[in-house]
Amino acid sequence: NAGVTQTPKFQVLKTGQSMTLQCAQDMNHEYMSWYRQDPGMGLRLIHYSVGAGITDQGEVPNGYNVSRSTTEDFPLRLLSAAPSQTSVYFCASSYPGTFPNEQFFGPGTRLTVL
Amino acid sequence: SQQGEEDPQALSIQEGENATMNCSYKTSINNLQWYRQNSGRGLVHLILIRSNEREKHSGRLRVTLDTSKKSSSLLITASRAADTASYFCATNQAGTALIFGKGTTLSVSS
Repeated sequence: NAGVTQTPKFQVLKTGQSMTLQCAQDMNHEYMSWYRQDPGMGLRLIHYSVGAGITDQGEVPNGYNVSRSTTEDFPLRLLSAAPSQTSVYFCASSYPGTFPNEQFFGPGTRLTVL
Repeated sequence: SQQGEEDPQALSIQEGENATMNCSYKTSINNLQWYRQNSGRGLVHLILIRSNEREKHSGRLRVTLDTSKKSSSLLITASRAADTASYFCATNQAGTALIFGKGTTLSVSS
């Protein structure tokens, strides 16, 4: 199993550009989520999904869109990038449960917005 | 707002010593998890303790949970240089969302 994969590993954008961060898992996990990590702030939850067709907002959803059309994929879209979105983005997945279980993290995408 | 807060923010010890880091949280939880992050890498799950458990062990790791004080501690015994990393606690908030604290940075020198 590849686990959780994220592409790209690095990305530089100009203010106002759009892009999609890709996340895929091959463990048949129902639960997937996106976090951003900034220095001194730890990880903050952006959006999460408990299954295909179901998404919900986390702590810092503004400026980001998600969709979950398949169990395997959970892309994160930046519609109009801003310098404040410069961060490292992590995708995570876990098997289903009533409450959060062990999360499996991808290697991260380092995004810089100029 | 972030659910868990780790303490201390940074910890420096010598190889062979024990490292203790704490996590406090604000609301009732169903479980609490600890993760490790090596520099520039993704997070790795260490241990999960449920709200009805008070202590759990995994190798050199010992986790305690005190729901009355809304706090947890992670003890790493006989630390090694390879334990140098950031450690995060995470708790569920509003059911299925998992919220992380800001982390403790552990430095183990040989």
